[in-house]
Amino acid sequence: DAGVTQTPRHEVAEKGQTIILKCEPVSGHNDLFWYRQTKIQGLELLSYFRSKSLMEDGGAFKDRFKAEMLNSSFSTLKIQPTEPKDSAVYLCASSRDRGVYEQYFGPGTRLTVL
Amino acid sequence: AQSVTQPDARVTVSEGASLQLRCKYSYSATPYLFWYVQYPRQGLQLLLKYYSGDPVVQGVNGFEAEFSKSNSSFHLRKASVHWSDSAVYFCAVSYGGSGNKLIFGTGTLLSVKP
Repeated sequence: DAGVTQTPRHEVAEKGQTIILKCEPVSGHNDLFWYRQTKIQGLELLSYFRSKSLMEDGGAFKDRFKAEMLNSSFSTLKIQPTEPKDSAVYLCASSRDRGVYEQYFGPGTRLTVL
Repeated sequence: AQSVTQPDARVTVSEGASLQLRCKYSYSATPYLFWYVQYPRQGLQLLLKYYSGDPVVQGVNGFEAEFSKSNSSFHLRKASVHWSDSAVYFCAVSYGGSGNKLIFGTGTLLSVKP
C-alpha cells in the first residue's frame, strides 16, 4: 500500500497569502490528523477527522486554519491569511479507526512565510 | 491532564554503545504506548508499540522498549547503536477513548558519534 502522501513538500508564501496544503491518507484509513511541528512547540494537533467528520479542531488554530476532508482519500489544510509565525513543518497522518492503531505519517510540508 | 515527558532533550552516545531513551506518562489507567523516530526532513516512522501483555516489546532495527506500570514509564533501549540511528525519537500515548489521537512527548535528539 502507498503511504501518506503530502504535497507540496515545500511552500514559500508572502505574509497575507492563502496557502493550501494537501494530504492523501493510506487507503482504507478513516482517521486523519494534521499536525504542526516547530522546534519550540514540538508537535501540535491541528485537526482530527474520523470518517470525514471533524472530531477535534485545535482551539489555538481555529481562526486562520481550516482543515477539510473532501472525501475519504483527500484532505486539505488552508491557512488564510498566512503570518511569519506559521513557518513550520505541517504533517499529515492517518490511522485505521477500529480499535487503537498507530498513526502513519506523511513526509510533511515545510512552509516558510516571509 | 494526560501528558508525556521525555526528560532528555539531547543524548549523545558512541557508535556501538548501548542506549536508553526515557519516557514517562501521566495517566491513572494503562495507556497505549508508542515510540516513533524522525530522520531529517522526513515524517515520523513507528518503531514499536505496546498495547498489553509482555511488558518488553520488540521493534524495528533492534530497538525494544519496556513498559513499567509502577513507574509509569516506557523507556526505549538498544544494545548497540549505529551512526544511522541518529535522529529524533518521540514517545507517544493514546488513551483509547480519544480514538487514535496521540499525545506526543517533546522528543529526544540522538546523536551517535562514529
